[in-house]
Amino acid sequence: DQQVKQNSPSLSVQEGRISILNCDYTNSMFDYFLWYKKYPAEGPTFLISISSIKDKNEDGRFTVFLNKSAKHLSLHIVPSQPGDSAVYFCAASLYGGTSYGKLTFGQGTILTVHP
Amino acid sequence: EADIYQTPRYLVIGTGKKITLECSQTMGHDKMYWYQQDPGMELHLIHYSYGVNSTEKGDLSSESTVSRIRTEHFPLTLESARPSHTSQYLCASSDNPGLNSPLHFGNGTRLTVT
Repeated sequence: DQQVKQNSPSLSVQEGRISILNCDYTNSMFDYFLWYKKYPAEGPTFLISISSIKDKNEDGRFTVFLNKSAKHLSLHIVPSQPGDSAVYFCAASLYGGTSYGKLTFGQGTILTVHP
Repeated sequence: EADIYQTPRYLVIGTGKKITLECSQTMGHDKMYWYQQDPGMELHLIHYSYGVNSTEKGDLSSESTVSRIRTEHFPLTLESARPSHTSQYLCASSDNPGLNSPLHFGNGTRLTVT
C-alpha cells in the first residue's frame, strides 16, 4: 500500500518556464512534508518542507503548496534552470515522537529542463 | 552542511558472501537511518537508530542488520548476500528531524549481488 504517490514519472520543461511537480498521499495523519532532489550517483538533497498547519512555503525559486483536503502537494520551480534537472522525491512524515525521521517517500519524478 | 560518508560507492559481490556497508557522519548527529532504493522506485526505511546502542527495524523488512556502537558510525551488514539484495543503500542522519533539520543523506552504496 503506497501512501505517497508521484504519478508522473517524468516532466520536461523549457528553461525559464515553470515546473510543477505533484504528489498525493493517502495517510491523513501525515503532518510534515518534504521535497528532496537527487542527482545521479548522489544521495538525495533536502530542498524544501512544509508543515500541515501551512498551505504554502516559499524559498527562492521553490514554492511548495499543500492542499490537505485533497491530500495533495505540489512543488513549483520558477524560473526553471537546466541545473534543476534531477529526480525529485516527495516525502511525508508524522512529526515528532517515535516517528522522527521516518519518512515515507514517493517514487520520484524525473525533471528535465531544456535550454 | 552535514558530512555523511558511505563506502564503498559501488560493490559487486558473489552470492553467499558477507558484506558490510559503512556509514559515518562527522556532525555528531544522534539519529541515523538506512534507506533502500530500487531504480525508479521510492526509498524505503530499513533500519534506524536514535543513539548509541539503539537500533530499530524500519518499515521494509530486511535481512540486513545494523549496529550503533559509536555515535558517528552506523554500519549495515548482510551475513549472506543474495541477488535479491541488489539495490542502492542510502544512509542518512539528523540531529533532530523537523522543519529546520531534515535528513542529510550520503551518496549511497550501489550493491550488485551476482
